[in-house]
This record gives sequence, structure tokens and C-alpha cells, in this order.
Amino acid sequence: DIVMTQSPDSLAVSLGERATINCKSSQSVLNSSNNKNYLAWYQQKPGQPPKVVIYWASTRESGVPDRFSGSGSGTDFTLTISSLQAEDVAVYYCQQYYSTRRTFGQGTKLEI
Amino acid sequence: QVQLVQSGAEVKKPGSSVKVSCKASGGTFSNYPINWVRQAPGQGLEWMGGIIPMFGIANYAQKFQGRVTITADESTTTAYMHLRSLRSEDTAVYYCAREYKAGFWFDPWGQGTLVTVSS
Repeated sequence: DIVMTQSPDSLAVSLGERATINCKSSQSVLNSSNNKNYLAWYQQKPGQPPKVVIYWASTRESGVPDRFSGSGSGTDFTLTISSLQAEDVAVYYCQQYYSTRRTFGQGTKLEI
Repeated sequence: QVQLVQSGAEVKKPGSSVKVSCKASGGTFSNYPINWVRQAPGQGLEWMGGIIPMFGIANYAQKFQGRVTITADESTTTAYMHLRSLRSEDTAVYYCAREYKAGFWFDPWGQGTLVTVSS
């Protein structure tokens, strides 16, 4: 199975500052036939199911504020929140959908 | 807009089994994979397996192979996750999630079903 490893496990950022979360996969999730990275980022708030915020590693889901951005390719990926807002406090997970056996990172808890 | 509605909370004894349902409404059911993901208290997301209803063939995480069965009923647009030989470590919220398109990310998700395993 593809192992997804996030860093850090938790992160405290001041309001208005930048938050950066990293995700590393144990093997490449880049499909060379279409040049797409099969990597998504989810946001989960307490008591709620996860919600996708980024897919194809860098495509923002409709309705997600443009302060959220994703980057990276192959095995190394980053989720950046450019100017942290109070409503961004959540746990963030990366997930690969390259393999039929989907796997998630362990999560990064983002706090103010 | 597709919506997934799961069955209610369950309390089970160790050694027993649980079957959680996930009813899809508002969209096409048969050719969109349904996955099951669980989350133990205070822990992360763990993919258990998935199924494409029109084919009826499930794909499982190694950890759950032999202990979980995922099925889907096209006539009622409902997917099921059956977990056997329950132990306390299986206490978790169980989510179903549809793939946006086959082979894509998970969207939408069900509301979650809490399964508590306790003697």
C-alpha cells in the first residue's frame, strides 16, 4: 500500500499568517499518461465528515476560498493557507487515489 | 446533488458483528464507487474498502481483509459495510463516501455512524 506521511502532526499559526502542511507519499502518485497527481486534501472540523478542499494536488474545490492552495508533484505535496482565518481551524488530511487501495495521511491539526 | 444517509448508532458486544447502511439519493448510484472510511476516537481516517455497485466486486484494505464485507444493492441504492468479530478497537465513527467519479477523490460523504464495541 502507498503510505502517506504528513508533517507536522500539529501546527499553531496566528490569524492572518501563513500555514503550510506537507504530505509525502511512499511512491509517486503522478500518472504519466495524463500528467495528473492523484492527491487530494480534506478539511475536517469537529463532529463533521471530511470535506475535500483540493484535488489533483492543486485544483481548488468550488467554494473553497482562494487562500487555500496546493502544490507539489510525484511524492511531495504541500497545502498552504495564505492568511489563516478562524474558520480554518480543523484537521487536514492528504489522500492518494492513485492506487485502488486508497490511503490517507495521519492528519495535521491546525490551531490558532 | 448526491446525498448519502447512513444508519444510526450501534452498540455491540465483543465478538459480534455490525452492518452499517449508506443510502444514496439524488444522483446515479451504479457506476460510482462507494468507499468506507473509519475514524477511531481522536484518531485519523482509515480507508477500509470500496465497491462499484454495478460490478458488485469489492476491494479491501489488507488490514480488514477477511473480517469486512462491503456490498451494494442497486435496487435500493444502498451500500452496506458488514464488520465481524468486533473488538473494542473497532469503536469508531464509520463513514461512507462516494467517489466524485470512478477513480477520483471522495465527495460526498455520509454523516457517519458511531459503532461502540463494549462488554
